[in-house]
Amino acid sequence: GENVEQHPSTLSVQEGDSAVIKCTYSDSASNYFPWYKQELGKRPQLIIDIRSNVGEKKDQRIAVTLNKTAKHFSLHITETQPEDSAVYFCAAKNNNAGNMLTFGGGTRLMVKP
Amino acid sequence: DTEVTQTPKHLVMGMTNKKSLKCEQHMGHRAMYWYKQKAKKPPELMFVYSYEKLSINESVPSRFSPECPNSSLLNLHLHALQPEDSALYLCASSQRQGSYEQYFGPGTRLTVT
Repeated sequence: GENVEQHPSTLSVQEGDSAVIKCTYSDSASNYFPWYKQELGKRPQLIIDIRSNVGEKKDQRIAVTLNKTAKHFSLHITETQPEDSAVYFCAAKNNNAGNMLTFGGGTRLMVKP
Repeated sequence: DTEVTQTPKHLVMGMTNKKSLKCEQHMGHRAMYWYKQKAKKPPELMFVYSYEKLSINESVPSRFSPECPNSSLLNLHLHALQPEDSALYLCASSQRQGSYEQYFGPGTRLTVT
């Protein structure tokens, strides 16, 4: 089945700096890669996603890049703010796995004011 | 209505109790999911319902019993749980099974004593 690895597990940045979180996946049949943000005690919220026919997608301060050849995708947050502090999960959707999402292990991002 | 709702928010139950978790969505989604999330871990898929029929059971113990009474409602019946079943139980929905976007409810924090 699909295996998604996420790095780093924790990331601490100064307010205003950029943050990058990386994920790798194992199955080249995966075709959809969402990113979820989960604040403490709250639900995972879809913040951005990318499909396999696109290499990059941007939404204000967040962007996601996908390298299908290398089977990795990354989340980029620019001009970080304290409210960006949360746990971020990447995921991959794979038609061979019942179209289900396989999640990475999560990254705890701390933005210091 | 663009939200998935869950009740109760918190639940404490003994190992001999029977309780139910409820999930509701009014987005016209025909796929609904139960996930279990332990602290500092990603959501772990338990069950998938597609058009009110159980589509995927990820080898979940029979002390967890899902039910989908109609296209808007999803229940999870709990009986004879163990302390290790304590976790955040998340419901999610998507337009169809395998649709790209999955939306999560706020979860039920379950403690088994």
